[in-house]
Amino acid sequence: GNSVTQMEGPVTLSEEAFLTINCTYTATGYPSLFWYVQYPGEGLQLLLKATKADDKGSNKGFEATYRKETTSFHLEKGSVQVSDSAVYFCALRDTNAGKSTFGDGTTLTVKP
Amino acid sequence: GAVVSQHPSRVICKSGTSVKIECRSLDFQATTMFWYRQFPKQSLMLMATSNEGSKATYEQGVEKDKFLINHASLTLSTLTVTSAHPEDSSFYICSASFLNEQFFGPGTRLTVL
Repeated sequence: GNSVTQMEGPVTLSEEAFLTINCTYTATGYPSLFWYVQYPGEGLQLLLKATKADDKGSNKGFEATYRKETTSFHLEKGSVQVSDSAVYFCALRDTNAGKSTFGDGTTLTVKP
Repeated sequence: GAVVSQHPSRVICKSGTSVKIECRSLDFQATTMFWYRQFPKQSLMLMATSNEGSKATYEQGVEKDKFLINHASLTLSTLTVTSAHPEDSSFYICSASFLNEQFFGPGTRLTVL
C-alpha cells in the first residue's frame, strides 16, 4: 500500500534560518504530492502541491519538488518566520481512489 | 476557493451518548467526502470514504456500527459516533473532493467524559 515517511520532529529554528523537512513516499502509480500545514486547534490548510514528476510546488516562500527518482518531496524555505510555527504534513493522493495518505507530521517551532 | 465547514467545532458529551458531526461543502458539490481521525500530536488516520447516495467504505479496523456515516446530499455528510466512550475522544476532520482537489474542514474536537 501507499505510505509517507517524513522527518521526525520537533524542529526548532531561529528566525530567518533555512528550513528543510524531508519527505519520502512509496506508492503504486503516479500519485499527487502535497504539503499541508496545521496551526494549533485548527484543520489542515493546503500549503503546496505537485501533480507530476519534476513539478515544483511553491507558496508563501515554501517550495517542494516532486522527485520521482528518489521518491521524495522535501519541503524547504529559505528564511523562516515565527508565524511559520505549526505542524507540517506531507501527503500523497492516489489519483484512482482519491484518498490521501499522510505522514506523521513534523512540528516546527521558530524562535525570535 | 472551495470551503468545507464542520459543525460543531467542539463537543463534550457523557459516556454512552451519541454525537453527530456535520461536514458541509459550502460552495461546491462533493460526491465524495472523507472522514479522518487525529490523535494528539499524531497524523490523520482515514476512517472512511463517504459517497453520496451509497454506503460508506470503511478502512480496516474502523467499526462501521460505531461510526455511522450518512452522505445524504451532495453538500452534506454526517458522522455519528454512537455510544461514545472516552477512548473515542479525538479530533475528527472531514474533507471533500472537488475538481481533483481535496479540501479539508476545520475539524471537530470531541471529548467524551
